[in-house]
Amino acid sequence: DAGVIQSPRHEVTEMGQEVTLRCKPISGHDYLFWYRQTMMRGLELLIYFNNNVPIDDSGMPEDRFSAKMPNASFSTLKIQPSEPRDSAVYFCASARPSRGNEKLFFGSGTQLSVL
Amino acid sequence: KNQVEQSPQSLIILEGKNCTLQCNYTVSPFSNLRWYKQDTGRGPVSLTIMTFSENTKSNGRYTATLDADTKQSSLHITASQLSDSASYICVVSTDRGSTLGRLYFGRGTQLTVWP
Repeated sequence: DAGVIQSPRHEVTEMGQEVTLRCKPISGHDYLFWYRQTMMRGLELLIYFNNNVPIDDSGMPEDRFSAKMPNASFSTLKIQPSEPRDSAVYFCASARPSRGNEKLFFGSGTQLSVL
Repeated sequence: KNQVEQSPQSLIILEGKNCTLQCNYTVSPFSNLRWYKQDTGRGPVSLTIMTFSENTKSNGRYTATLDADTKQSSLHITASQLSDSASYICVVSTDRGSTLGRLYFGRGTQLTVWP
């Protein structure tokens, strides 16, 4: 299994531009998560899906952020318009159903720099 | 307030030595506690998951302990290797059903192993 695949690995963009991050979860995993990691705040949950349905998006910082999961094998996180404070590493993670001890599998992340 | 505090923030040890990382939490109600290892430029990888009834769990040279009464956990690394250099993140879950949407992350301990 290739694990959780994220693209791109690095993204450099100018303030105001639209940014789209992509994620392919592990096949058979029903849960998909988007996290953001910064030095100041550590890892923060942005949104998570169960069976392609958004369950909790309370971590999405503002309306500039949106996430979709059109099918079980693909998800996107979009920032429009981007701002310098959005610079961070964005991780996608997936998990399969279990009884409370689901193990999260993370992708390698997308390093986003907004200039 | 649900919080996870880790100490020390950073640690440097010589190859072959042992070390112990600490995690204190105020998350309630408690469901399980996880330790993750995050190599530079990579996503976190699960080391251990412990439930309320488990006091200790090992994964090779990594041994995690849990005291649910004092709300403390430790991660002990035996005979450290250069490849142990990474950030170690403590994560606490509150829900007993689908736990993954209610994870509280520590800021991590940055471990550096010198030859």
